[in-house]
Amino acid sequence: AQKVTQAQTEISVVEKEDVTLDCVYETRDTTYYLFWYKQPPSGELVFLIRRNSFDEQNEISGRYSWNFQKSTSSFNFTITASQVVDSAVYFCALKSSASKIIFGSGTRLSIRP
Amino acid sequence: DAGVIQSPRHEVTEMGQEVTLRCKPISGHDYLFWYRQTMMRGLELLIYFNNNVPIDDSGMPEDRFSAKMPNASFSTLKIQPSEPRDSAVYFCASSLKAGAYLYEQYFGPGTRLTVT
Repeated sequence: AQKVTQAQTEISVVEKEDVTLDCVYETRDTTYYLFWYKQPPSGELVFLIRRNSFDEQNEISGRYSWNFQKSTSSFNFTITASQVVDSAVYFCALKSSASKIIFGSGTRLSIRP
Repeated sequence: DAGVIQSPRHEVTEMGQEVTLRCKPISGHDYLFWYRQTMMRGLELLIYFNNNVPIDDSGMPEDRFSAKMPNASFSTLKIQPSEPRDSAVYFCASSLKAGAYLYEQYFGPGTRLTVT
């Protein structure tokens, strides 16, 4: 069975703090892809990153970084020096070769000025 | 580019009525997806098309739901008859890439459907 767990329902931090959003996944497939999407208050989802199961290298894009660890089945997302504009709901998603994409329940991130 | 366009943005209808949601993908994108988002079930993929052909409709909840893509620039999601439990935000997304890159998608603003 495929499953994505985002245990943090809501997180609130003060601007400029670092914040990490957790994502734990379950799959029996050896080939799969993990994703993060952002849903700002305007509502539309924005694709942030894709990572395949054979690439465990961490990735950094500006203030955003992602830590993929197969040993713990986790794909965590860190925002460094958070800004108010980072306030959104963030979704982690899993797509394996044998199933359709599934999304976690999302983490609502609020950045206070 | 105008992005993915969805209409209407909001729809309120009574139970039993037919509802049609519309989507115009980004020009040149070969893939089109329909998603539904609810508080209870989260974000779910309903169906997706490649070159106007439905590829995977396993997420379509029941026969009351149907989707078509008559041409590369237009798709509809129809619910007939609608029920209160269909109330949700319906997103359309499009993608240029296939395979591993398929889910690098561009989403529309969504249609908020309320069935009373």
